[in-house]
Amino acid sequence: LAKTTQPISMDSYEGQEVNITCSHNNIATNDYITWYQQFPSQGPRFIIQGYKTKVTNEVASLFIPADRKSSTLSLPRVSLSDTAVYYCLVGDKGTNAGKSTFGDGTTLTVKP
Amino acid sequence: GAVVSQHPSWVICKSGTSVKIECRSLDFQATTMFWYRQFPKQSLMLMATSNEGSKATYEQGVEKDKFLINHASLTLSTLTVTSAHPEDSSFYICSASLTRSTDTQYFGPGTRLTVL
Repeated sequence: LAKTTQPISMDSYEGQEVNITCSHNNIATNDYITWYQQFPSQGPRFIIQGYKTKVTNEVASLFIPADRKSSTLSLPRVSLSDTAVYYCLVGDKGTNAGKSTFGDGTTLTVKP
Repeated sequence: GAVVSQHPSWVICKSGTSVKIECRSLDFQATTMFWYRQFPKQSLMLMATSNEGSKATYEQGVEKDKFLINHASLTLSTLTVTSAHPEDSSFYICSASLTRSTDTQYFGPGTRLTVL
């Protein structure tokens, strides 16, 4: 299972764009990259998932370089309610589908 | 879509008793369900993986006789903490996968267990 490394914490201000990078040097060919958001005392919430290049949805963008050894979650114009812990997961497929290891996550604090 | 529920949301019990936590996928059939434990200010730790109709696969260090997992249908998995002790107090979270191919897990809201 690919191990992930993220910054422990980040600070930002309302209205700014936030980019959180995750390193996954030993990502396997079939692995997808998934990002989750977690608020205190709640289960993680799915944000975005990708395999390569760029993926965008209504809340975030995910940038994945060609070598796939890292990925960057981009949150446009953050607000106070985006203060949370963000996890990137790299998961394999087949019989172990869904079995990914959570790293330490990045605690994002958005200030007014 | 892809909603996962857990019941109860919190439970307080006496040491030595057993507690059952339910995890349900409300609007989809989950091929696989997962159980995690999370201590304060720590990341999620995978406890076990369960597939409908088969025995759960436990992670190293997780006692299968203490944490009983049943996955009787494609929409329901249960975790029973047997003979609970204060050190079992934690936040238990389940997740469910839609398919085997994309590794997208959808998480329940979690269950806060406090053992007195």
